[in-house]
Order: sequence, then structure tokens, then C-alpha cells
Amino acid sequence: AIRMTQSPSSFSASTGDRVTITCRASQGISSYLAWYQQKPGKAPKLLIYAASTLQSGVPSRFSGSGSGTDFTLTISCLQSEDFATYYCQQYYSYPRTFGGGTKVEIK
Amino acid sequence: EVQLVESGGGLVKPGGSLRLSCAASGFTFSSYSMNWVRQAPGKGLEWVSSISSSSSYIYYADSVKGRFTISRDNAKNSLYLQMNSLRAEDTAVYYCARESVTQSFDYWGQGTLVTVSS
Repeated sequence: AIRMTQSPSSFSASTGDRVTITCRASQGISSYLAWYQQKPGKAPKLLIYAASTLQSGVPSRFSGSGSGTDFTLTISCLQSEDFATYYCQQYYSYPRTFGGGTKVEIK
Repeated sequence: EVQLVESGGGLVKPGGSLRLSCAASGFTFSSYSMNWVRQAPGKGLEWVSSISSSSSYIYYADSVKGRFTISRDNAKNSLYLQMNSLRAEDTAVYYCARESVTQSFDYWGQGTLVTVSS
């Protein structure tokens, strides 16, 4: 199975900050990577697919980059509603696997 | 509007069985692959199983293989997960998720909680 490793696992930030979350795959997955946002008690929400394509309706302050094994999710200007946990997921092969999550907390 | 509504969760004893359902609406259900994803309390997301639009292709996580069975009824716009030989480590919120044409999971249900405990 492809292992997805996210870093950091959590961090604190302030509104207006630019934040970057990293996801590394244990083997190459081309651009078959998605990012999800999850708030407490809610279902995950798709933010980005194909590593860098913004899902319809997602604010443009979210962006994704990378291919192969190294990927990043960037929030250009953190808003209050962005405090949540973020997961990467590979869909290059089965079993589909998620990263362990990155919790973005308010500083 | 796409809607996915899970049901069937509850409290079950170790070794017991449970059948989850996911009712889909707002899209052509028979055209999409579907998935189950679970989340243990306070933990991350774990993919459980996938089924293709016509049920031709089915995949399972190793952790549930041989115990869980995914199925669908396109006439009823419904997805199912039959869970047998349940263990304490199967305790989780179970989500159904639609697989988009790009293979990411673009719509998720609200989840149903399964608790395995004596």
C-alpha cells in the first residue's frame, strides 16, 4: 500500500497568515492526489483534486502543487473558517490511502 | 443537489453483524463508483471499500477483507456495506462518498456511527 505522510501534524496560525501543508507519498503517484478539509463533527469536503485543480466553489486562496511523491497545500491568506483538519489522499492505486491529517489551530 | 444519506449504524457486540445503507439522490447514481470511508473516534480517515458503477470492480482495505461486503442497487439508488465479524477496532463513523470522474471523492454523506462493544 502507498503510505501518505503529512507534515506537520498540527500547528497554530493567525488569520491572514500564509500556510503550507506538505504531503509525501511513499512511491510516485503522478498527480493522483486530492486534498480534503474536515471540520469537527462534519464530513470531509473536497478542496483540490489532480494535485492542483480547485474543486468548484472552493475559494481561490486554496492552492495545490506537486507531482510524483511531494505535494503541498497552500492557503494564501488564512480565514477564520479555514481552521480545520486537512487530509491528503492518493487515488493512484488501491488501497486508496489518506495522510494522517494536519490540524490547523488558531494562535 | 447531490445528497448521500447513511443509515444503519448502532451498537453491536464483538462478533456481530450490521448492514449500512447509503441513499443517493440528485445525480445519476448508476454512473458513478462509490466508496465507504471510516473514521475512528479522534482519528484520521481510512478508506474501506470501493465499488464501480456496475459492480464489476470491487476493492477492500486489508483490514476488512473477508469480513465486509460492499454492494449496490442501482434501481434503488442505494449503496450498502454488510459488516460481519465486527471487532472493537471497527468502531468508527462510516461515510459513503461518491467518486468523481477524476476519481477523487467529491460528495460525502453525513456519516453513521458504528460502535462495537460488549
